[in-house]
Amino acid sequence: DTGVSQDPRHKITKRGQNVTFRCDPISEHNRLYWYRQTLGQGPEFLTYFQNEAQLEKSRLLSDRFSAERPKGSFSTLEIQRTEQGDSAMYLCASSTRDRYNEQFFGPGTRLTVL
Amino acid sequence: AQSVTQLGSHVSVSEGALVLLRCNYSSSVPPYLFWYVQYPNQGLQLLLKYTTGATLVKGINGFEAEFKKSETSFHLTKPSAHMSDAAEYFCAVSAVGNQFYFGTGTSLTVIP
Repeated sequence: DTGVSQDPRHKITKRGQNVTFRCDPISEHNRLYWYRQTLGQGPEFLTYFQNEAQLEKSRLLSDRFSAERPKGSFSTLEIQRTEQGDSAMYLCASSTRDRYNEQFFGPGTRLTVL
Repeated sequence: AQSVTQLGSHVSVSEGALVLLRCNYSSSVPPYLFWYVQYPNQGLQLLLKYTTGATLVKGINGFEAEFKKSETSFHLTKPSAHMSDAAEYFCAVSAVGNQFYFGTGTSLTVIP
């Protein structure tokens, strides 16, 4: 399968703990995007990378959130000191630079903060 | 700025009936428009997109959508609903940039 993969698929944590999610994009895609989707809502843009450079961040991405893509391949999204409001599905998508409007989504990581 | 409004958070149709899911957009520049489908506990799958050119766009699984600039709409249709069409559908808009703005989604139920 050469699609976008995300790990883990589900994460349950206690409030105050740190969590890290991983996204592996389609191999030839140099753009990678993170979205958050809460229950009953559409995905909301968080941030995106072109290769290893983080080019845009939403104001939704508070100081507790950090994303990296150190080698321009996989990316990690870390949430520090989780809060119950962080409970959501975190979606990753990738695209090529030239066809950025064709974003391919991964299955998501569902985070539950107790 | 761009935004999307999906009218009707829940739509029910009988199997074999017409599917119509409504999407209106707001964009200060010529938009790119998309419909995605999401099955439970899965990511989003692209159904179809409009960027430029022909305003009637055909997608996968028999779906199509028409871009109507005068009405700022991009409604999704399918002539005959199938049980496998039951899912959540999201309309999205993007300008010549990178951010996608999604609507709140429409849950489609197909009644046998």
